[in-house]
Amino acid sequence: AQSVTQLDSQVPVFEEAPVELRCNYSSSVSVYLFWYVQYPNQGLQLLLKYLSGSTLVESINGFEAEFNKSQTSFHLRKPSVHISDTAEYFCAVSGSTSGTYKYIFGTGTRLKVLA
Amino acid sequence: NAGVTQTPKFQVLKTGQSMTLQCAQDMNHNSMYWYRQDPGMGLRLIYYSASEGTTDKGEVPNGYNVSRLNKREFSLRLESAAPSQTSVYFCASRGQGAPNQPQHFGDGTRLSIL
Repeated sequence: AQSVTQLDSQVPVFEEAPVELRCNYSSSVSVYLFWYVQYPNQGLQLLLKYLSGSTLVESINGFEAEFNKSQTSFHLRKPSVHISDTAEYFCAVSGSTSGTYKYIFGTGTRLKVLA
Repeated sequence: NAGVTQTPKFQVLKTGQSMTLQCAQDMNHNSMYWYRQDPGMGLRLIYYSASEGTTDKGEVPNGYNVSRLNKREFSLRLESAAPSQTSVYFCASRGQGAPNQPQHFGDGTRLSIL
């Protein structure tokens, strides 16, 4: 069955330090990958997505993620975090192994940026 | 452009009471979803509707019912609320048919069952 794994439930990091939030997914014939961000008391918002083409995708607020097919990973990175990046981040996969697509979310990683 | 609107934002119920959570989207999306979010468990799919007139069970459907009233609206009903249903409920919608479309979420309903 299709699955998404976010190994880190919480990641504390100091302001202006780099961060990587890890996401691994089970292999599919065809896959589309997404990162969502959830700020306190809000719903999830799309941060970035990989559909096809360049394996490195970027968001407007400095995050980037790289699709690595051989390692079935889609890790999220930011070279220098801000206090305002404190939020929960969810990786999601829309994947198919038999022509039917399933959309699955990881369990989330809570990023805490420290002053 | 409102996107996905959920009502109410907060609700407290007593065990055994019933309640309907409302969701409406104005993006002309075919697919709509109901999730619950609990600490450490991420999002769990309760029910979804791939198109107007169809509904299907997700991962945790027990204790819930849904109605796809029209293309815009997808409601979630708790017939007899239980403390285990205390959670934050999110409605989402998704664009026309394509598997590469992201989901769009409402701001959630925070539900407490006493």
